[in-house]
Amino acid sequence: KAGVTQTPRYLIKTRGQQVTLSCSPISGHRSVSWYQQTPGQGLQFLFEYFSETQRNKGNFPGRFSGRQFSNSRSEMNVSTLELGDSALYLCASSPWATREAFFGQGTRLTVV
Amino acid sequence: KQEVTQIPAALSVPEGENLVLNCSFTDSAIYNLQWFRQDPGKGLTSLLLIQSSQREQTSGRLNASLDKSSGRSTLYIAASQPGDSATYLCAVPIDGANSKLTFGKGITLSVRP
Repeated sequence: KAGVTQTPRYLIKTRGQQVTLSCSPISGHRSVSWYQQTPGQGLQFLFEYFSETQRNKGNFPGRFSGRQFSNSRSEMNVSTLELGDSALYLCASSPWATREAFFGQGTRLTVV
Repeated sequence: KQEVTQIPAALSVPEGENLVLNCSFTDSAIYNLQWFRQDPGKGLTSLLLIQSSQREQTSGRLNASLDKSSGRSTLYIAASQPGDSATYLCAVPIDGANSKLTFGKGITLSVRP
């Protein structure tokens, strides 16, 4: 069974640009969550989607948005990038029965 | 508000030693608790999931226990190896209705040959 796939693995963007990250969950998992990981703040929850609906949102500005498609694949978008957005962005999918989270390898975003 | 604490932040042990990593949480009404491993620059690998009704889970050389009443979980690693060197994180859902996780800061383990 394929794991969680995140693309791209690495991104370099300049301040003010926008970026879209993609996450394909494990087949059959309908819950997809996104996290930001930085050395200073650790892992912080961004948002969770279930059956194309956003169920929860973390404490991030409106520049961070996401969506989920009917096949459970999810994207997150960050507009007007700032230097502080440089981080490892992790996606996790979960089966509803156990809530066990399975993470992808992440997308390393560097804003210059 | 659920808070998860992992102390110490870093640990260095000689190869072959049995070791215990600790995780504490403030709200005992958890749905489950999950232990992860993270290698530098990589994603998180799920090691063990303990449901709230369980006391422990085992996988190979790893054993995780859960004591909800005291707000504690431990990850026991038997006969540590250099390949076990990584950061170990524990996480609990914010509540049982969703998959939003609160993480500890992690314990960076170094196993010396």
